[in-house]
Amino acid sequence: NAGVTQTPKFQVLKTGQSMTLQCAQDMNHEYMSWYRQDPGMGLRLIHYSVGAGITDQGEVPNGYNVSRSTTEDFPLRLLSAAPSQTSVYFCASSYNIAGGKDEQFFGPGTRLTVL
Amino acid sequence: KQEVTQIPAALSVPEGENLVLNCSFTDSAIYNLQWFRQDPGKGLTSLLLIQSSQREQTSGRLNASLDKSSGRSTLYIAASQPGDSATYLCAAYPPGTYKYIFGTGTRLKVLA
Repeated sequence: NAGVTQTPKFQVLKTGQSMTLQCAQDMNHEYMSWYRQDPGMGLRLIHYSVGAGITDQGEVPNGYNVSRSTTEDFPLRLLSAAPSQTSVYFCASSYNIAGGKDEQFFGPGTRLTVL
Repeated sequence: KQEVTQIPAALSVPEGENLVLNCSFTDSAIYNLQWFRQDPGKGLTSLLLIQSSQREQTSGRLNASLDKSSGRSTLYIAASQPGDSATYLCAAYPPGTYKYIFGTGTRLKVLA
């Protein structure tokens, strides 16, 4: 298994540009999520999905969109990039988070800089 | 609202020392608590998950305990090695929320 994969690893955008961060997992996990990690603030949940076709907002959803058309993929879209979105973005997945027995697995991250 | 705290933010110890990392949470109603390791510039690696019905979990030199009544979890690392140097994060999972709440981590440096 490749686990959780993310592309790209690094990205530089100009203010106002849009882009999509890709996330895929090959473990047949129902639950997928996106976090951003900023110095001194820990990981904050952006959006999550409990299955194909089902998404919901996390703690900091503004400026981001997600969709889940397949079990494997969970892309994160930045609609109009702002310098405040400069961060490291992590995708994570879990088989069945609702039961509380399954651990989360994380991807390697995407380091995004918005100029 | 669940809040998770990790103190201290940074810790340096000599090689071979046994050490304890702390994680506190404000609401005892959690499904589980998970400990992660993060190396610089890398993603998070799961170390141990303790379900709410469990008191502790062990993996090699690592032992994690959970005391829901006091809102505390500890990660014990035996015979620390320079390779253990990393940031350690804990995350609590409140039931029915589909959202893990993370602490800000403890940055550990083990000196050779």
